[in-house]
Amino acid sequence: DADVTQTPRNRITKTGKRIMLECSQTKGHDRMYWYRQDPGLGLRLIYYSFDVKDINKGEISDGYSVSRQAQAKFSLSLESAIPNQTALYFCATSDLQTGGIETQYFGPGTRLLVL
Amino acid sequence: SQQGEEDPQALSIQEGENATMNCSYKTSINNLQWYRQNSGRGLVHLILIRSNEREKHSGRLRVTLDTSKKSSSLLITASRAADTASYFCATKGAGGSYIPTFGRGTSLIVHP
Repeated sequence: DADVTQTPRNRITKTGKRIMLECSQTKGHDRMYWYRQDPGLGLRLIYYSFDVKDINKGEISDGYSVSRQAQAKFSLSLESAIPNQTALYFCATSDLQTGGIETQYFGPGTRLLVL
Repeated sequence: SQQGEEDPQALSIQEGENATMNCSYKTSINNLQWYRQNSGRGLVHLILIRSNEREKHSGRLRVTLDTSKKSSSLLITASRAADTASYFCATKGAGGSYIPTFGRGTSLIVHP
């Protein structure tokens, strides 16, 4: 079974709709991240969480919100979806190791299309 | 903003050739990692190099780091068609408050 899972894998929605993307992990990691990927722009950080009580905005948090329901679960919501939020969304997890090392483990991604 | 910038953006080679991609960054780092992404899939960690290291090897991968030039290179030797993917560098500062920062990636195509 995959260590980091994302649901749904594909989603088509309409402008103005609220949607939620979910991420679960079985790696026991404290840190979780949400990224979006657009062609040619690499990964851009939306939100990240160092533990259940610590949530931080990334570089492109406008229009998004998150919830860390448990150590293993981190959800991303689009309150009112708009077409330019069409993208590939990734969840990632990590633990901070000795020496500042932090290797991220990515989910398979959610492909979102906003019409 | 993105810390690392990969170069070239795209690279096309024949099977058996070596592939070299570079990553430049702006601020001091604690470590640098390279990740691979097959089309439309999640990134997978390849190799890590610490700021006090100059070179690391893993199988057909060779990574170098030059902190004076704030740059790193990833060399894939004897490339295979299965190496076709995008490659990203991720830099990280020292301290728990820092998070990995990704570049925009190099798209590698290896022709059989």
